Amino acid sequence: ETGVTQTPRHLVMGMTNKKSLKCEQHLGHNAMYWYKQSAKKPLELMFVYNFKEQTENNSVPSRFSPECPNSSHLFLHLHTLQPEDSALYLCASSQDRDVYNEQFFGPGTRLTVL
Amino acid sequence: AQSVTQLDSQVPVFEEAPVELRCNYSSSVSVYLFWYVQYPNQGLQLLLKYLSGSTLVKGINGFEAEFNKSQTSFHLRKPSVHISDTAEYFCAVSGNKLSFGAGTTVTVRA
Repeated sequence: ETGVTQTPRHLVMGMTNKKSLKCEQHLGHNAMYWYKQSAKKPLELMFVYNFKEQTENNSVPSRFSPECPNSSHLFLHLHTLQPEDSALYLCASSQDRDVYNEQFFGPGTRLTVL
Repeated sequence: AQSVTQLDSQVPVFEEAPVELRCNYSSSVSVYLFWYVQYPNQGLQLLLKYLSGSTLVKGINGFEAEFNKSQTSFHLRKPSVHISDTAEYFCAVSGNKLSFGAGTTVTVRA
């Protein structure tokens, strides 16, 4: 595997379910990110981890819970979601949090909340 | 505070014609500028970036962009597009954090 991988690619869940999204980067990077992409809106940065420590939480509802067990893996745990949470969730990584560094993106998980 | 405005939400263009995607930004600090492309069912991929130096930046797949500090713009151009350039294009600005525009959908027709 190369680059940034995400599983599953598609997920349909009910509002009472609990599920998790997984991201893995094979680039030796130290920073990882979760973004929410909704149609015709700018990407919304949700969480940032740098060297496994959470450094940003952009007012994300508590029904989204991130976990970063090591610099290569990032999870997004989901519970009691709402239909408006349906979107493409993108994971990204970069060498570190310096703002001039390119971010490398995974293909995303298309989430549908019924 | 910083913001990014992509002035066109959709740009239809014929194959082998030129295309320009417009991006304006505002920021209270010095910025770095990026263009990303997202092909269908894929994540974002970096096309090019401006960090410093020459204001004309060349990227992958024949794209280039010009940084204009006085007009706070970073427009993306390609002199001759291919069908395979059909995608969504995102301008991004990095001052104290990375902010993305809403995207421009480019549809290339034969």
